[in-house]
Amino acid sequence: RKEVEQDPGPFNVPEGATVAFNCTYSNSASQSFFWYRQDCRKEPKLLMSVYSSGNEDGRFTAQLNRASQYISLLIRDSKLSDSATYLCVVAYNQGGKLIFGQGTELSVKP
Amino acid sequence: ETGVTQSPTHLIKTRGQQVTLRCSSQSGHNTVSWYQQALGQGPQFIFQYYREEENGRGNFPPRFSGLQFPNYSSELNVNALELDDSALYLCASSPGQRNTEAFFGQGTRLTVV
Repeated sequence: RKEVEQDPGPFNVPEGATVAFNCTYSNSASQSFFWYRQDCRKEPKLLMSVYSSGNEDGRFTAQLNRASQYISLLIRDSKLSDSATYLCVVAYNQGGKLIFGQGTELSVKP
Repeated sequence: ETGVTQSPTHLIKTRGQQVTLRCSSQSGHNTVSWYQQALGQGPQFIFQYYREEENGRGNFPPRFSGLQFPNYSSELNVNALELDDSALYLCASSPGQRNTEAFFGQGTRLTVV
């Protein structure tokens, strides 16, 4: 079993749609949680950190459920520019290792 | 721009050869991590360097080795290249060991033929 598992993609949605990505992690010792965005053939970029209380950044909302070891990302009012691969990432506070899911590809169509 | 630069951007090598990839970390960052990203997969942790010492290693064979220099730049060396080593190699720098915020370079795309 992979340490971080994400919904398989691709997700093809029209502009303006709401899309949700889900992720589960297997190690309860995980301490930090992130969503990264990766454009085609580019480096991953931090989209947002994920906190137990949930957090929102504009059209993006991230949720963490430690009991279920589940992380989610909600994108509202999708834009063409949101088309990318979204990577779920967990980390342990010691060791410095980031553990990535395989990513979920999002394609937003006009 | 993250301030993390990697070189070269693209590289083609023959199976059995050796390769060195380079990374300059963001100013003020003393921690560098290396990741391998195969096509269609998420990045996989290779190892991390903190203040010139290896500080954690992923499930990669010993032919993957690295260095960190006093200016915190870093090298990834891969010996005896195999076809499966073809991937995007990413360097990430962060201000401390705990890696709570990592900034990635643009990567080096290695093709082994």
